[in-house]
Amino acid sequence: AQTVTQSQPEMSVQEAETVTLSCTYDTSESDYYLFWYKQPPSRQMILVIRQEAYKQQNATENRFSVNFQKAAKSFSLKISDSQLGDAAMYFCAYRRSINTDKLIFGTGTRLQVFP
Amino acid sequence: EPEVTQTPSHQVTQMGQEVILRCVPISNHLYFYWYRQILGQKVEFLVSFYNNEISEKSEIFDDQFSVERPDGSNFTLKIRSTKLEDSAMYFCASSDGGRVHEQYFGPGTRLTVT
Repeated sequence: AQTVTQSQPEMSVQEAETVTLSCTYDTSESDYYLFWYKQPPSRQMILVIRQEAYKQQNATENRFSVNFQKAAKSFSLKISDSQLGDAAMYFCAYRRSINTDKLIFGTGTRLQVFP
Repeated sequence: EPEVTQTPSHQVTQMGQEVILRCVPISNHLYFYWYRQILGQKVEFLVSFYNNEISEKSEIFDDQFSVERPDGSNFTLKIRSTKLEDSAMYFCASSDGGRVHEQYFGPGTRLTVT
């Protein structure tokens, strides 16, 4: 069975600095998708970035980028130039590429941003 | 920007009562999902729904749960006889399909069973 692990329950960063959130996963599949979702307090989960496993190039969305290491089954999220609005719970999620839409989530990392 | 909406934001019910949680997916989406998050635990998949039928369900989604798309806009989750352990945040999501099936989540309904 596939699992997703986020080993950092909480992280903090100073405004304008860079922070990296860790995620590892376990799967025997070769093709799959990985996602980072952001959940601000009392708000819905928003998709931040996605990575398709067959693509070697790391995904980037503005200040958000990933370090996808397929062999190590690692998918970390880097937030550059952190802003106060980045404070939220961040969830890593996995989905097989075929026969299912089911997202498998990690336990989340709460990110605090200090001015 | 279109959003998934959910009502109510918070529902309190007594054990054994039936509840219906409502969702309005994004209008051109065809795939619908329910997830739940028990306090302090992971977000867990419950069910996916496409073309007016369940396409996948988890072991959590037993006979006390049902889903329905009663009209062209709403998507509901019914829990027939609530238990204390059903207390959780319930998230609805929708997708337009496509290769990645990116899912867009609603703000959730907090269900408290007393």
